[in-house]
Amino acid sequence: EAGVAQSPRYKIIEKRQSVAFWCNPISGHATLYWYQQILGQGPKLLIQFQNNGVVDDSQLPKDRFSAERLKGVDSTLKIQPAKLEDSAVYLCASSLQTSEVPEQFFGPGTRLTVL
Amino acid sequence: AQSVTQLDSHVSVSEGTPVLLRCNYSSSYSPSLFWYVQHPNKGLQLLLKYTSAATLVKGINGFEAEFKKSETSFHLTKPSAHMSDAAEYFCVVSDRAGRRALTFGSGTRLQVQP
Repeated sequence: EAGVAQSPRYKIIEKRQSVAFWCNPISGHATLYWYQQILGQGPKLLIQFQNNGVVDDSQLPKDRFSAERLKGVDSTLKIQPAKLEDSAVYLCASSLQTSEVPEQFFGPGTRLTVL
Repeated sequence: AQSVTQLDSHVSVSEGTPVLLRCNYSSSYSPSLFWYVQHPNKGLQLLLKYTSAATLVKGINGFEAEFKKSETSFHLTKPSAHMSDAAEYFCVVSDRAGRRALTFGSGTRLQVQP
């Protein structure tokens, strides 16, 4: 079974530039998550999708971050404009919504450096 | 509200000796608890999870954890460390009501000395 795919793996941009990350979840997984992991910290949930609807985006900085999952499969996370403090690893995860607390499967992440 | 405190940011053990990674949690509801492992340049992998069945949970690679409600703890143990266990370990809590979102601890880096 193929895992969660993310691209690019690494990205370096200047502050105030825009950047987009892509995620392809495991086939059949209805729920998709984006996490931000700052160096030395645990991942923090940014947004959770159930199919193509948003379940939770309470921790998403909506003035600069946006995410979509138009067809209920792939998802993109965008930052516009980027700030220095956005430097982090952005993790995508997916899960089946068949149990009370489903296991989340994580992709390898995209490491973003903002200069 | 839910939160997790990992009591040690770094743990160093010798190969073949026991591993203990400590975790305390806070949750408004009956929690589900997890341990994830993150090897360098690899994705997070689930080691084990507790969801209200047996309080002693066995996971992959010889790891296990015990849920102690009275102590609000979920410590991770392994009888004998292997060099390949060197990684970052995260304790994670999820309320089984509401959003069921995962809240991660800050992580414990495990070093295994030869």
